[in-house]
Amino acid sequence: AQSVTQLDSQVPVFEEAPVELRCNYSSSVSVYLFWYVQYPNQGLQLLLKYLSGSTLVKGINGFEAEFNKSQTSFHLRKPSVHISDTAEYFCAVSERTGANNLFFGTGTRLTVIP
Amino acid sequence: DTEVTQTPKHLVMGMTNKKSLKCEQHMGHRAMYWYKQKAKKPPELMFVYSYEKLSINESVPSRFSPECPNSSLLNLHLHALQPEDSALYLCASSPWGDSNQPQHFGDGTRLSIL
Repeated sequence: AQSVTQLDSQVPVFEEAPVELRCNYSSSVSVYLFWYVQYPNQGLQLLLKYLSGSTLVKGINGFEAEFNKSQTSFHLRKPSVHISDTAEYFCAVSERTGANNLFFGTGTRLTVIP
Repeated sequence: DTEVTQTPKHLVMGMTNKKSLKCEQHMGHRAMYWYKQKAKKPPELMFVYSYEKLSINESVPSRFSPECPNSSLLNLHLHALQPEDSALYLCASSPWGDSNQPQHFGDGTRLSIL
């Protein structure tokens, strides 16, 4: 069984400031890690994924995330946010040896303040 | 523009009605998924189809009946729903069912049960 914890339900940040959205996971087996973004009244869009290799992964829209195995974390970062980044962000895991069954965290609402 | 198309975008139905949600993708993907998302909550997996066969049913009540007529289409038939079934229903697809493949989501059908 796995669980995904996104401790911050809401993160307000001023435009052009950096942001970090935290994600910690727990699993009895190895997992793949994903970040998805959901804009209002839309479905989910993949930001980035960690499958293997370099622990720093870069995604779309200037986002990046770092996999830390010892801390079981996969935090999402952006050095300078824009108004258009206002959205809900979900961290998700899937078991490496299982079916493509995504398990999502509870989400973090990022609000960028002008 | 999303590559997974869901219709209708909104649906209001009474508890005795029968309706269907439709999902279509033309990316050649062979795995398709239904998720339910309540307000301010993460998506929860309902069903997975792999090569047009139902591979995962996450203990969903029988008032929800999925159907995959071909590799491009996924339906969700609804009958005798309850008010607590009001939610955003998301469809997703992936090339096949491996857990390292990101899922592509549609924009969802917002369902309201009167």
